[in-house]
Amino acid sequence: DVKVTQSSRYLVKRTGEKVFLECVQDMDHENMFWYRQDPGLGLRLIYFSYDVKMKEKGDIPEGYSVSREKKERFSLILESASTNQTSMYLCASTYVDRGLYGYTFGSGTRLTVV
Amino acid sequence: KQEVTQIPAALSVPEGENLVLNCSFTDSAIYNLQWFRQDPGKGLTSLLLIQSSQREQTSGRLNASLDKSSGRSTLYIAASQPGDSATYLCAVRPAAAGNKLTFGGGTRVLVKP
Repeated sequence: DVKVTQSSRYLVKRTGEKVFLECVQDMDHENMFWYRQDPGLGLRLIYFSYDVKMKEKGDIPEGYSVSREKKERFSLILESASTNQTSMYLCASTYVDRGLYGYTFGSGTRLTVV
Repeated sequence: KQEVTQIPAALSVPEGENLVLNCSFTDSAIYNLQWFRQDPGKGLTSLLLIQSSQREQTSGRLNASLDKSSGRSTLYIAASQPGDSATYLCAVRPAAAGNKLTFGGGTRVLVKP
């Protein structure tokens, strides 16, 4: 089974801190994604990557950046954490194809910014 | 722009009853549709993936149908159990948007013992 591993289940950070959320997948997927999930707003795409060193903005990239130096690892960076970034963060990956494969999600990171 | 709707937003049934969860989407140009389950505070677990050329997929007590022309998918869960209590999300992979999923808002299910 494909595994997508998020390094932390729970994080508490202070306002203004630089925060790194790590995601690793073990199935050589080209595509990786970062979502955030908030009550009433559903899942919203922050950033995604089609390949190493490639990244594209999703629907809500403001306040975030990403890094993909290796194919299996996709990091989400909060340059200066703010309380409105308190949320559940979900990483996902999939193959580049015409829909033969689905998405695989990690178990999520619940980030609280105080 | 593709929109995905799940109605109802919440559903409560007694144990043993069959569950019927609905998902509708506005643009039939999709590669596939995926059903997920999410337990409180957890990530998404994939339940079923239906390719655009398929009509249904089955896994154990779960059966998902797809009517692409009418923009509908239905997830059936037979003989529901309290352990089926969770939020169920459907997502479509639009043919025009590459690999980016469009999610519905989810249906929160409670199965009462």
